[in-house]
Amino acid sequence: AQKVTQAQTEISVVEKEDVTLDCVYETRDTTYYLFWYKQPPSGELVFLIRRNSFDEQNEISGRYSWNFQKSTSSFNFTITASQVVDSAVYFCALSEAGSGNTGKLIFGQGTTLQVKP
Amino acid sequence: EAGVAQSPRYKIIEKRQSVAFWCNPISGHATLYWYQQILGQGPKLLIQFQNNGVVDDSQLPKDRFSAERLKGVDSTLKIQPAKLEDSAVYLCASSLDGGAYTGELFFGEGSRLTVL
Repeated sequence: AQKVTQAQTEISVVEKEDVTLDCVYETRDTTYYLFWYKQPPSGELVFLIRRNSFDEQNEISGRYSWNFQKSTSSFNFTITASQVVDSAVYFCALSEAGSGNTGKLIFGQGTTLQVKP
Repeated sequence: EAGVAQSPRYKIIEKRQSVAFWCNPISGHATLYWYQQILGQGPKLLIQFQNNGVVDDSQLPKDRFSAERLKGVDSTLKIQPAKLEDSAVYLCASSLDGGAYTGELFFGEGSRLTVL
């Protein structure tokens, strides 16, 4: 069965601190995609990153970085030097790409990040 | 480029009443999704269309929910009769393809439903 778990419900940090959001997934497929989306107070989910199951290289984009480890089924997201504008709900999601799958996203429960000035 | 448009943004109804939500995806996007997001939870897929055909409606409560995408463009999601547990944000999303290849779904701002 496919499942995404974000154990951290809420995280509060002070501006300029680094913060890591955890994501653990379950899937039987060997080919799958992992995502992170950001949901600001406006409600619109914003795509941040996609990784496929064959690419375990870590990725860095500005203050954002992602650590994908198949051995632990984790896809963690780190924000370096957090800013108040980073305050949002962050969702990790999984899409199975095997035969018969439609590519739908399975979301975790989300982690609410509050960055205080 | 215009984003995914949804209306209404907010709706308050009493239980057993009916409600309809409308979504216009990004032009040219073949795939359209309706997700339900209950407060404090992640979005859950209700139905997925590829053009005007249904790809996945396994989690749609078909006794009360219905959705259509008649011309393969905009879509309507209806709830009749509504229950208290239907209180949620209904998110519409679209993608160029089935999502498995690019993975990037573009979401609207959602329609927040409160059932009293």
